[in-house]
Amino acid sequence: DQQVKQNSPSLSVQEGRISILNCDYTNSMFDYFLWYKKYPAEGPTFLISISSIKDKNEDGRFTVFLNKSAKHLSLHIVPSQPGDSAVYFCAVTHIKDDKIIFGKGTRLHILP
Amino acid sequence: NAGVTQTPKFRILKIGQSMTLQCTQDMNHNYMYWYRQDPGMGLKLIYYSVGAGITDKGEVPNGYNVSRSTTEDFPLRLELAAPSQTSVYFCASSPVLGRQYFGPGTRLTVT
Repeated sequence: DQQVKQNSPSLSVQEGRISILNCDYTNSMFDYFLWYKKYPAEGPTFLISISSIKDKNEDGRFTVFLNKSAKHLSLHIVPSQPGDSAVYFCAVTHIKDDKIIFGKGTRLHILP
Repeated sequence: NAGVTQTPKFRILKIGQSMTLQCTQDMNHNYMYWYRQDPGMGLKLIYYSVGAGITDKGEVPNGYNVSRSTTEDFPLRLELAAPSQTSVYFCASSPVLGRQYFGPGTRLTVT
């Protein structure tokens, strides 16, 4: 059973518009959430994170929103740029755990 | 700093052969991880280590072994390679739980 679900395998967004990537998790014990970005033939790179004591965290064009009651988080990219075309992985963990659980990823295409 | 380095970048193995995937980090991180990524799938944890001399199984450990004799190195051993082990393997490290730094990956094909 998947503990982290990214239900959209791919997403296409016009350059300059907002990209919204979604992620659902099943266990309310998770209290730390991360997003990673991956280009082809490279390892994933950390993008942004949020702890369960917050409902929003911003870093430049990237904002992560957390809705604990719905067990849902989303990543907003505004404005979307061509270099944002990549696979985005949602990841979750508990602060007392040693491991992170990754979703299957969403491939984002930014259209010119 | 080189970060996390992995060798080799590519490898083709015959069924039943063995090999070691090398992973080294120069950031003095305590935590190290091995993942595999199959097409269309997320990253699945194979083994991890919270410090030198300590290793533990992840979600998919069968067919693999690890050791952690130093902080820097975390090699992954494949014994008796099988086609199901065809995948891209990523090593990662982190100073604490949370943000992980990944290597560039090793693409392994078993035929």
